[in-house]
Amino acid sequence: DTAVSQTPKYLVTQMGNDKSIKCEQNLGHDTMYWYKQDSKKFLKIMFSYNNKELIINETVPNRFSPKSPDKAHLNLHINSLELGDSAVYFCASSPSAASYEQYFGPGTRLTVT
Amino acid sequence: ILNVEQSPQSLHVQEGDSTNFTCSFPSSNFYALHWYRWETAKSPEALFVMTLNGDEKKKGRISATLNTKEGYSYLYIKGSQPEDSATYLCAFWGGGSNYKLTFGKGTLLTVNP
Repeated sequence: DTAVSQTPKYLVTQMGNDKSIKCEQNLGHDTMYWYKQDSKKFLKIMFSYNNKELIINETVPNRFSPKSPDKAHLNLHINSLELGDSAVYFCASSPSAASYEQYFGPGTRLTVT
Repeated sequence: ILNVEQSPQSLHVQEGDSTNFTCSFPSSNFYALHWYRWETAKSPEALFVMTLNGDEKKKGRISATLNTKEGYSYLYIKGSQPEDSATYLCAFWGGGSNYKLTFGKGTLLTVNP
């Protein structure tokens, strides 16, 4: 059983398109995160949701909009994709916002052409 | 801005060698320090979570130490094996309302047979 899953694993799209990446966790965790692995290989947090409420929103363009329909899912929608959005996006979850144990998904490699 | 630094950036060792690398982090407002093992095309996998100054953790041939007063942690691998080849990430969890992990860039370890 996959604890934290992401779809799709690979996404190739053109500039200007709108795309979504989905994340699901079956661990019963309250908190979920989106990270971006940038070109320098840094893992940087983008967003965090706790029980469907946004608790962390780093300096991310408005074109990125997370949505949490329930605490087991956190989706990332990206509007008007740009070349610079090409990266690997990782979803993670933790038991609670104050719990420092995080479990990562396999990543989604987004390529914008 | 939190700085989490890891050194060296990359490391090549021969099978059987023992090795170690460093993570430095802010010594103030410390909650926890994570070590993750990240193989290419996989998700980061938690190795250790360390919270107390002087903590030492061990998992098989891998161990870690923590000095929160001076802001550093060492990860040691004894008798490196080719399957230890991966990027080793450390991540700092600060206190207060900053419920997020700040990652270092990682140390890429390659173990040659």
